[in-house]
Amino acid sequence: SAVISQKPSRDICQRGTSLTIQCQVDSQVTMMFWYRQQPGQSLTLIATANQGSEATYESGFVIDKFPISRPNLTFSTLTVSNMSPEDSSIYLCSVATGRKGSGELFFGEGSRLTVL
Amino acid sequence: DQQVKQNSPSLSVQEGRISILNCDYTNSMFDYFLWYKKYPAEGPTFLISISSIKDKNEDGRFTVFLNKSAKHLSLHIVPSQPGDSAVYFCAASRFSGGSYIPTFGRGTSLIVHP
Repeated sequence: SAVISQKPSRDICQRGTSLTIQCQVDSQVTMMFWYRQQPGQSLTLIATANQGSEATYESGFVIDKFPISRPNLTFSTLTVSNMSPEDSSIYLCSVATGRKGSGELFFGEGSRLTVL
Repeated sequence: DQQVKQNSPSLSVQEGRISILNCDYTNSMFDYFLWYKKYPAEGPTFLISISSIKDKNEDGRFTVFLNKSAKHLSLHIVPSQPGDSAVYFCAASRFSGGSYIPTFGRGTSLIVHP
């Protein structure tokens, strides 16, 4: 199992500003995943972050808007840049469980952002 | 275009009865199907999964059924308990970039009444 801590748990932000979300895992992991859940929507993968390389972004997400850092095997950050109300979402950090195959993930508790 | 669909946003069930949550998918290349449970202010937690080569997997009160020809899966909870009240996400995963990446549905909110 893995314990994942995210900061902040929630925040209210002004339009045009940027916010960085931190994700700390209690064990070393190769891949970390950042998801977004907009109100009433599914969990959507933003990007996969590997230590020592550039993050891989899913269609519809770009590095300029969601820069990601992965300085070591237990930590990652996601920045939401130049925020607009459409960025109001829950942002979730996750890691694979280590069980081979399937796609089972551990999730952090999420960071709920409200953009005014 | 949603590849994983949960067409019922909510479900209400009496304690002790069966809860059946449904999920449809469009991509026949998915290798695994998973269910996650999410309580308010918490992240989703893995509940149960099934390989695409099987049609049933059971774990205690939870059973997942897979019908590949219909591209449909369901989660059965028997008997339902008030503590089962949560949002349930269906997910399907395929191997990509060195890992299995799940694609999620929009979730079904289950309420189990005492």
